[in-house]
Order: sequence, then C-alpha cells, then structure tokens
Amino acid sequence: DSGVTQTPKHLITATGQRVTLRCSPRSGDLSVYWYQQSLDQGLQFLIQYYNGEERAKGNILERFSAQQFPDLHSELNLSSLELGDSALYFCASSALGGVGIQYFGAGTRLSVL
Amino acid sequence: EDQVTQSPEALRLQEGESSSLNCSYTVSGLRGLFWYRQDPGKGPEFLFTLYSAGEEKEKERLKATLTKKESFLHITAPKPEDSATYLCAVWGGTSYGKLTFGQGTILTVHP
Repeated sequence: DSGVTQTPKHLITATGQRVTLRCSPRSGDLSVYWYQQSLDQGLQFLIQYYNGEERAKGNILERFSAQQFPDLHSELNLSSLELGDSALYFCASSALGGVGIQYFGAGTRLSVL
Repeated sequence: EDQVTQSPEALRLQEGESSSLNCSYTVSGLRGLFWYRQDPGKGPEFLFTLYSAGEEKEKERLKATLTKKESFLHITAPKPEDSATYLCAVWGGTSYGKLTFGQGTILTVHP
C-alpha cells in the first residue's frame, strides 16, 4: 500500500458528461501529480500541484482541470468527455515540490461509452 | 523534450534465467532516473532512483545501473512473481515536476 488513495476505482459514464476524480496524498506529502495511462500512449504526465498551487503542466486538455485543496487532497475534473478519454488515471504524491520519489495510487479506471 | 525508450517491449524468461532490461534516455540535465514496477490494473510501485552515472542500486533479485545515456535493470535468477511491467522514467532539468516515462517492458517469468 503506497498510502495514496484514489476514488472511485471505476467510473463508467457517457460521452459529453463531466466527472471528478479524487486523490488523497500520503500523509505529509505536499505535491500531487496526475497521470493518464492508455494502451497506446503509456503513462503521460498531466499536471502537478504543490501545496495548493499549480507547479507544472503537461499535455493536459483544456477540457480537464485540477485543483488541490487546503487539506492537500486533489481533484481532477474531466468535462465534455469523449470516447478517447477512456483510460486509467493515476495520482501520485511526493514530499517535495521538485521531484522526489513519487508514490502512486491504485488508479481510477474511466470508461466513456 | 525529454525522451525515454525501453527495450525490449516484452521479455519471456524461464525461472532462474537472468537477463537485463534497457532504458535509453535523452534529457537536458538529468536530475534523476526512476524504475517502477507495475502489475496489471495497479499503480506503479517505486523500485529505485539513480542520480548520477556510475551509480548502482540493488534490491533482492534486481539491480539498477546508470550511465550517461542509459540505465539497465538486471534481474538475477528471476521467479514467476517477478512477472510485471517495468517502467523507466526520467526527471530532466527543464521539467520542474514532470516525470517522463518509457513505454515499459513486459516481463513474464515461466516456472
């Protein structure tokens, strides 16, 4: 158990809908990272938050947004969903703002039908 | 842009048959190279971090090494429970919080 908690584990929704994925980092970790993993793209970095502020951005679509709350949990919001958004979404956390070791959660499997 | 290439894509071994996985990288100012193990349907599990050429780290049957252009994950006398996807990732100097991952090597160890 990495100590990073992601909910829900599975999410099935329809095209055009909006969903929210939740992540609780390891106790004491200030940084949260979001990744998308699909069969053809591998593990792709989306965005990082450090102590409530956005710190780094990857190939995140404009339809996707994230935030980190004062209690350090984070949410990834995906809107106007398309079939191609179906993937595993992972959250990771680390103690520092720069990259220390990132510990990953078990992921949320999103299926857009 | 940071790039990571892992080879082979898939590797099948017999139990006890040692081998190596390769991770070649292109990065501007390597700050760290990471190895993760991922089981099907689960999140990546941290194995090693290497920071400078010549560094080596060991854990049970696994040993990771680093040169200026690539890293190797050596697996000695593997067991079926070592079957997993092994992911390599780099942290480059121009990418503050971002890890760039390779596509992974799928390792299958047959009893």
